[in-house]
Amino acid sequence: GQSLEQPSEVTAVEGAIVQINCTYQTSGFYGLSWYQQHDGGAPTFLSYNALDGLEETGRFSSFLSRSDSYGYLLLQELQMKDSASYFCAVGSGNTGKLIFGQGTTLQVKP
Amino acid sequence: DTEVTQTPKHLVMGMTNKKSLKCEQHMGHRAMYWYKQKAKKPPELMFVYSYEKLSINESVPSRFSPECPNSSLLNLHLHALQPEDSALYLCASSPRLGAGELFFGEGSRLTVL
Repeated sequence: GQSLEQPSEVTAVEGAIVQINCTYQTSGFYGLSWYQQHDGGAPTFLSYNALDGLEETGRFSSFLSRSDSYGYLLLQELQMKDSASYFCAVGSGNTGKLIFGQGTTLQVKP
Repeated sequence: DTEVTQTPKHLVMGMTNKKSLKCEQHMGHRAMYWYKQKAKKPPELMFVYSYEKLSINESVPSRFSPECPNSSLLNLHLHALQPEDSALYLCASSPRLGAGELFFGEGSRLTVL
């Protein structure tokens, strides 16, 4: 089976940096994705790591360590609009299954 | 065009009704997905289509019936639903099966009375 763990809630202030961790267990792992979802909205893709290391996209970066079954999403220069739920998701094998973690609610305070 | 379009945005139905949710994408993606999401929960995979063929059915009750008429369209037919089926139904697409990036539609919010 597959399982993912991420913190349920994180709070930070505007302008700060926050890291959301994700640990996973899956067979045939092929990648770790991150999605953002605002209340009432649809999930929006943020980043994808298939190989170890850091991927940077603007204020957001994502890291993967396959040997540790661990990844994180790093959000820099936090803005109020970053308040949302963040989901890590793992894909396994070639089945097309992308399974989501329980989500981390990020609250950005002034 | 990088959108996945879902209709209707909102649907209210009785337990004896038959209705359908529709999803369309024009990005040339060959994999399409249905997810179900309850409030404060993650999206839960229901069905995956690859090249218009059903690839995954996550043991979804038969009152949900998916259909992929062509590479751009995905339907979810609903019949004899239960109140606990009330949720946000999300359609997504990706270039191929196994791609890490899914493009989601805005969802259809379903209420079953």
